[in-house]
Amino acid sequence: QKEVEQDPGPLSVPEGAIVSLNCTYSNSAFQYFLWYRQYSRKGPELLMYTYSSGNKEDGRFTAQVDKSSKYISLFIRDSQPSDSATYLCAMLGSNYKLTFGKGTLLTVNP
Amino acid sequence: DAMVIQNPRYQVTQFGKPVTLSCSQTLNHNVMYWYQQKSSQAPKLLFHYYDKDFNNEADTPDNFQSRRPNTSFCFLDIRSPGLGDAAMYLCATSRTAFPQETQYFGPGTRLLVL
Repeated sequence: QKEVEQDPGPLSVPEGAIVSLNCTYSNSAFQYFLWYRQYSRKGPELLMYTYSSGNKEDGRFTAQVDKSSKYISLFIRDSQPSDSATYLCAMLGSNYKLTFGKGTLLTVNP
Repeated sequence: DAMVIQNPRYQVTQFGKPVTLSCSQTLNHNVMYWYQQKSSQAPKLLFHYYDKDFNNEADTPDNFQSRRPNTSFCFLDIRSPGLGDAAMYLCATSRTAFPQETQYFGPGTRLLVL
């Protein structure tokens, strides 16, 4: 079983839709949970990170962590064509080493 | 302003011909990382430098080496590229190696091996 599982999609939604992106993980040592956005042919850009279970909101983005289920989510409200990208979840334990999911390719259609 | 710069953005090399990828940063961060990202796969950490201390991941092939001559620059050397080494190579930096420190990524260098 991989440490981090993420459905690669692709996911295609109309503009204005609510998008839900999810990852599961198996390593209980993970403490930090991050979401990166990666546009085509660019490096990953950090969107949000959380430390504890619960929700964290930043504009149209909400990150949700459920440590008991080992499940994290990223919600995008009022999705825009500019949100079209690959979204990578990533996790950290007690050190520097990021463990990434494979990424979900999202397309928001005008 | 670019903070993590990678050159070149695209690199074509021949099978077995050594190649060097470059990364520079304007953030004055202590830690610099190299990741390999193959198509539709997660980025995979190859190694990192904490200041001048080199830390290799256990499963990084010997074919991959790195140099960090100063704080700002870090190089990835692939001694004898194989077809399987074609990938996007991402450089990242962070202020320290504590997990709560954000890693900032460069735009990547896409390597093609012919």
